[in-house]
Amino acid sequence: DIQMTQSPSTLSASVGDRVTITCRASQTISSYLAWYQQKPGRAPKLLIYRASTLESGVPSRFSGSGSGTEFTLTIASLQPDDFATYYCQQYSIYWTFGQGTKVEI
Amino acid sequence: EVQLAESGGGLVQPGSSLRLSCAASGFTFDDYALHWVRQAPGRGLEWVSSINWNSDNKPYADSVKGRFTISRENAKRSMFLQMNSLRSEDTGVYYCARDSTYGGRLSGAFDIWGQGTMVTVSS
Repeated sequence: DIQMTQSPSTLSASVGDRVTITCRASQTISSYLAWYQQKPGRAPKLLIYRASTLESGVPSRFSGSGSGTEFTLTIASLQPDDFATYYCQQYSIYWTFGQGTKVEI
Repeated sequence: EVQLAESGGGLVQPGSSLRLSCAASGFTFDDYALHWVRQAPGRGLEWVSSINWNSDNKPYADSVKGRFTISRENAKRSMFLQMNSLRSEDTGVYYCARDSTYGGRLSGAFDIWGQGTMVTVSS
């Protein structure tokens, strides 16, 4: 099974900050990596797929990079609506999520 | 509008069964594979099972293999999850999600999610 490890688990930030979340895969997954945003009581929302492709309607302040085993999600300038939990997911072999990164004030 | 809507959750005792449903609207149902994902209270996301467009590919997570069965009825635009021998660790919100790959194969990220249905396994 492919394991996904996110860091940090919690991130304290302020509006306007540049935020970076890292996701590591236990084996190479090429670019089969997605990022999701989840707010309390809500379903996850797809932000990025294929490691760096922005889903339609997602603000351009979100970006993704990486390939192989190491990936990053960057929020260029944190907005009030961005305080949430973020998950990476590999879909190279079945599907595995990271444990999540909570972005809080 | 493209939508998925789960139903069928509830409070059940350990060892019992429950059948979840996922109803789709706003897209050509048999053009897409579908997935079940669950989330225990206060915990992260866990992939449960998936089904391709014609039901001939149905992988399961090890944690539910042999107890859960996924199925779909394309004519009714619905997917199901039959859950047997339920355990306390099966408690959580169950989401259905659409595979982003057009054509019905199991190969993409999850682009559309339902609102979730809560399953509580407790005596």
